[in-house]
Amino acid sequence: DQQVKQNSPSLSVQEGRISILNCDYTNSMFDYFLWYKKYPAEGPTFLISISSIKDKNEDGRFTVFLNKSAKHLSLHIVPSQPGDSAVYFCAASAMAGTASKLTFGTGTRLQVTL
Amino acid sequence: NAGVTQTPKFQVLKTGQSMTLQCAQDMNHNSMYWYRQDPGMGLRLIYYSASEGTTDKGEVPNGYNVSRLNKREFSLRLESAAPSQTSVYFCASRPANTGELFFGEGSRLTVL
Repeated sequence: DQQVKQNSPSLSVQEGRISILNCDYTNSMFDYFLWYKKYPAEGPTFLISISSIKDKNEDGRFTVFLNKSAKHLSLHIVPSQPGDSAVYFCAASAMAGTASKLTFGTGTRLQVTL
Repeated sequence: NAGVTQTPKFQVLKTGQSMTLQCAQDMNHNSMYWYRQDPGMGLRLIYYSASEGTTDKGEVPNGYNVSRLNKREFSLRLESAAPSQTSVYFCASRPANTGELFFGEGSRLTVL
């Protein structure tokens, strides 16, 4: 049972335009959400996070939106750059104590074209 | 600052062989994790350790064992490798005050 879903395996966007990556979750206990970026042959690196008490978090070109009622979050990248081409993973956790585990989605491969 | 270091980076095994993946972090993090990444499956948690001396199963623990040797090191052992364990394995650690995981560069394992 996939608790975190990224239904788009891939996305292609022109340089300078907006990239929107989507993520849905089913577990209502999740209250902390993260986006990770992964380049080939490297480990995932943290990009941005959001707590369930917020509906938006912004960090430079990256903004994450959370819609708790729809159990949906999205990552917006504006403007998109060629260096943003990577696989993006959505992750979620229920922040219970110090042993919280991250559940990851299947990833979306973003390609930013010139 | 090395962060999370995994060894080996590549390994080829025959079915039935055993091996241990090593992981060490130098960030004084309490929690450590082992994930595997497979095409179309994302990252799936194998085992984790909330603190030194404790370990717990994740989503896909079958065929694996772990040891939290000390606060720095968390190893993953395959006692009898199977082709289904062909994957890329990632070790990660997490500090106590955030939900963010810090990942190693990965270990690519092929079981023939």
